[in-house]
Amino acid sequence: QKEVEQNSGPLSVPEGAIASLNCTYSDRGSQSFFWYRQYSGKSPELIMSIYSNGDKEDGRFTAQLNKASQYVSLLIRDSQPSDSATYLCAVSPNRDDKIIFGKGTRLHILP
Amino acid sequence: KAGVTQTPRYLIKTRGQQVTLSCSPISGHRSVSWYQQTPGQGLQFLFEYFSETQRNKGNFPGRFSGRQFSNSRSEMNVSTLELGDSALYLCATTPGTSPFQETQYFGPGTRLLVL
Repeated sequence: QKEVEQNSGPLSVPEGAIASLNCTYSDRGSQSFFWYRQYSGKSPELIMSIYSNGDKEDGRFTAQLNKASQYVSLLIRDSQPSDSATYLCAVSPNRDDKIIFGKGTRLHILP
Repeated sequence: KAGVTQTPRYLIKTRGQQVTLSCSPISGHRSVSWYQQTPGQGLQFLFEYFSETQRNKGNFPGRFSGRQFSNSRSEMNVSTLELGDSALYLCATTPGTSPFQETQYFGPGTRLLVL
């Protein structure tokens, strides 16, 4: 059974600090990794995708991938109250295989 | 460009009934995936359709079925509803060549309550 694990939280971070969200996955052959943000009562929206080992930066967001450790993380710099949401990690084992979502981490940015 | 639309937005049914949900993709998107989201299990993949064919299927019982029409609109059907089917049902669409590598655009969801 392929699995994606996330700490459910809530993770509380002061405004302006760095929020660090972590995700581990079981299928060593996984190729594509995604972070989605879901506000309460809303549908998920893609924040970042990452396919290669290392860091990928987009504005205040940085995704980090370590395939050897089967670990993917999302860093949010200068956290804002509007970043308070549930963050879903998603993994695609290969090009044509379905995406597996983690259960999400609830992030709460403290004003 | 209009986003993904889902109808109805809310449904209340009783056990044993059946339900049909609809998803209209973004114009030009040919792949439609369906997900069930519950607090306990999170977001789980049901199936994916492309060009009126089911290409991928999750681990749900046969009571869950779907189809796709020539205009890429998709429906999913749940027969013989059970209490545990209460959930938010989301569809997500992509242009379709590699749906699980592309950005998936989610609709607003249909919230189903089974009594």
